[in-house]
Amino acid sequence: SSELTQSFSVSVALGQTAKITCGGNNVRNKNVHWYQQKPGQAPLLVIYRDSNRPSGIPERFSGSHSGNTPTLTISSAQAGDEADYYCQVWDSSTVLFGGGTRLTVL
Amino acid sequence: EVQLVQSGAELKKAGESLRISCQGSGYMFINYWIAWVRQMPGKGLECMGIIYPGDSDTRYSLSFNGQVTISADRSNSTAFLQWSSLKASDTALYFCARSSVAGTHDAFDIWGQGTMVTVSS
Repeated sequence: SSELTQSFSVSVALGQTAKITCGGNNVRNKNVHWYQQKPGQAPLLVIYRDSNRPSGIPERFSGSHSGNTPTLTISSAQAGDEADYYCQVWDSSTVLFGGGTRLTVL
Repeated sequence: EVQLVQSGAELKKAGESLRISCQGSGYMFINYWIAWVRQMPGKGLECMGIIYPGDSDTRYSLSFNGQVTISADRSNSTAFLQWSSLKASDTALYFCARSSVAGTHDAFDIWGQGTMVTVSS
């Protein structure tokens, strides 16, 4: 089982804001990265090192890491944002992924 | 274009051996860590292990140590994931992914398209 804890699912109304969190002792003082995965596709990096957005990722995607709760925020959620979202950290030379959160846009 | 291209889908029988590949292009392959990630049907992402092609430094995640072998061919910019004796439970989609900053452990910015491995019992 994953040592990073994510809610199994999150629902958000179209155009509203969704927040996905990543918990666990392993996130303290570590850089957290976030990936989006749509059915049949490879994961896509959407936030790296807590709050940085790769080129090509919409500004609606943002990340924060205050206290011990890294959070991925998706503002003005669109139908195309429906996907599974995974957090990830490095723990020494081990890669840890969260269990994933299924985002549903209503 | 920086990319990782994986070998095609495999249909095997339990007990058979298998090696799948991940070829990098568009960047200095030897300088970036590569991870192999398993995704079982309907499940999440699990890292199996990582390799630094520059010196073949390889680290296995606890659950996969002794179950698979990860290797790299520097001359062909290719990483490999190998099984000596497949089980039905190895049925999964396997991804390779590149750590984004040379020589360090960072976010995975480039992913292969995935290789589906199906093992029948």
